[in-house]
Amino acid sequence: NAGVTQTPKFQVLKTGQSMTLQCAQDMNHEYMSWYRQDPGMGLRLIHYSVGAGITDQGEVPNGYNVSRSTTEDFPLRLLSAAPSQTSVYFCASRPGTELKNIQYFGAGTRLSVL
Amino acid sequence: GEDVEQSLFLSVREGDSSVINCTYTDSSSTYLYWYKQEPGAGLQLLTYIFSNMDMKQDQRLTVLLNKKDKHLSLRIADTQTGDSAIYFCAESPKAGNMLTFGGGTRLMVKP
Repeated sequence: NAGVTQTPKFQVLKTGQSMTLQCAQDMNHEYMSWYRQDPGMGLRLIHYSVGAGITDQGEVPNGYNVSRSTTEDFPLRLLSAAPSQTSVYFCASRPGTELKNIQYFGAGTRLSVL
Repeated sequence: GEDVEQSLFLSVREGDSSVINCTYTDSSSTYLYWYKQEPGAGLQLLTYIFSNMDMKQDQRLTVLLNKKDKHLSLRIADTQTGDSAIYFCAESPKAGNMLTFGGGTRLMVKP
């Protein structure tokens, strides 16, 4: 089982460049979310989606866009990368009907913005 | 607001018990979680506890919850070198909402 798949695993960008981080899950989960991980700060929620066509902002949404056209995919777009966006990005998914809120994480994308 | 805090670092000897502590502020949390992150990998759920429980045991793992003090702990018995990782405490304030994570505790196990 693939679970949650993130691509690419590593990326280096120059300031001002744009790119899309891909996330796909094959578990038919309704909920998907994006987090960024910075040293000593845990994971902070960027954007999330509770189903196809529905997205909402998390704790740190500025500089990022998302869309959810299908249940399986939840891409994260950086329109104009900044050094402050250097981080490790994790995508997660979970079933929408489950009260326990157990999330399944991808392996992460390590992004450096120069 | 929601805030989850953990100490940054813990070092133990192989075979000893490890206790990782966490405090949280949202009294409406319904579930609390412990995730493990090994180097270069994503987060893996270790265990969780429902807010109406005081303790949960799962093999070498024991979770203790003190709702009055909003304190959560994870005890790992007979700690092994393979337990070296970062451990994150997380809370789910309401059923169906996203998780709020602590900053993570790096556990180092010395042979």
